[in-house]
Amino acid sequence: NFMLTQPHSVSESPGKTVTISCTRSSGSIASNYVQWYQQRPGSSPTTVIYEDNQRPSGVPDRFSGSIDSSSNSASLTISGLKTEDEADYYCQSYGSSNQVFGGGTKLTVL
Amino acid sequence: QVQLQESGPGLVKPSETLSLTCTVSGGSVSSGSYYWSWIRQTPGKGLEWIGYIHYSGSTNYNPSLKSRVTISVDTSKNRFSLKLTSVTAADTAVYYCARWRSDSNHRFDYWGQGTLVTVSS
Repeated sequence: NFMLTQPHSVSESPGKTVTISCTRSSGSIASNYVQWYQQRPGSSPTTVIYEDNQRPSGVPDRFSGSIDSSSNSASLTISGLKTEDEADYYCQSYGSSNQVFGGGTKLTVL
Repeated sequence: QVQLQESGPGLVKPSETLSLTCTVSGGSVSSGSYYWSWIRQTPGKGLEWIGYIHYSGSTNYNPSLKSRVTISVDTSKNRFSLKLTSVTAADTAVYYCARWRSDSNHRFDYWGQGTLVTVSS
């Protein structure tokens, strides 16, 4: 089994760009898709990126995802930050018979 | 629009069994493309996958919980259930049911609203 490690928190100003990383502990980051979920306080998670870099309909193109095999990590980038983007973000991937979530990153837009 | 709704006791005593049900509307648990999942979130902490079930009855569980978890599906009532035995205070969490897409567009695409289960005497 592998783990996904995220920074505990990040902060940035409105209008700026922020990137949240998600590092896989073992096995290749490219071997299984990575998803990203946004969770606002008191709400269930919603998908902002699936299959490494795909956006569900309704998610603005300010959200983008990528993977980097050299660092064995995935990244979620949010550009043109808005105060409404303030939330917890979780990466998620899977193995042959399990699902794994990262520990979550609290994004503060100040 | 698919909707998932968790139900079950909000308070469970230590050493007893936690039982929750997730009722699905707007879609069928009998679809072969999905795995029906349980995920929990301890207060102020992150998400933990508990396990999932396919309508065929095939299951996968988180190795850290496997010895205490059973997930079952009732296709006639379009719902699936979670049982977690020998609970302790560490099992206090918000429990979500969710749908995992396995054929394409891999993701947990629909989630219930979550239900808080407190383990306390």
